[in-house]
Amino acid sequence: NAGVTQTPKFRILKIGQSMTLQCAQDMNHNYMYWYRQDPGMGLKLIYYSVGAGITDKGEVPNGYNVSRSTTEDFPLRLELAAPSQTSVYFCASRQQGLDNTGELFFGEGSRLTVL
Amino acid sequence: LAKTTQPISMDSYEGQEVNITCSHNNIATNDYITWYQQFPSQGPRFIIQGYKTKVTNEVASLFIPADRKSSTLSLPRVSLSDTAVYYCLAWNSGGSNYKLTFGKGTLLTVNP
Repeated sequence: NAGVTQTPKFRILKIGQSMTLQCAQDMNHNYMYWYRQDPGMGLKLIYYSVGAGITDKGEVPNGYNVSRSTTEDFPLRLELAAPSQTSVYFCASRQQGLDNTGELFFGEGSRLTVL
Repeated sequence: LAKTTQPISMDSYEGQEVNITCSHNNIATNDYITWYQQFPSQGPRFIIQGYKTKVTNEVASLFIPADRKSSTLSLPRVSLSDTAVYYCLAWNSGGSNYKLTFGKGTLLTVNP
């Protein structure tokens, strides 16, 4: 199992450009999440999904869009990149099961710089 | 969502036991408490989860008193490699609350 895979690991964008951060998991988890982490800060929830075709906003959704067409993939789209979106982005997944585990499995992160 | 409060930072020395406390005064009946560890440039890693009393695994212990308004993560005999940020989360196992939100966490620094 690869777990949660994020691409790219690093990216530099110019202001106003757009891009998509990819996230894929091979654990058949139904819940997936996108977080951003600014230097020295905690993680902020951007968007989450409870299954294919179902997404919802988190704490800081502005400037981002998501889609969930399959169980495995949960891409995060940045439209019109701004310097305030410079951050490390983490994708995570978990399975809602009978054991009531809140265990999130995280990817290695995607470091984005907007200049 | 139950709000959690942790100390911003803690210092310790190798070989000591470290206890990190998390306050969650408005925890709901079916909220669980989960702790994560994060090293620099890595995603958080699940450590332990509990509901009430004490839970122990190979990494840590988690104690939640009967009133469940706080919890304590205990790391036995820490080493330099335990230097990390530790996050306490309260999450709801039922209903429609699927969000998992992180606070600022506690930066634990283990000194030689």
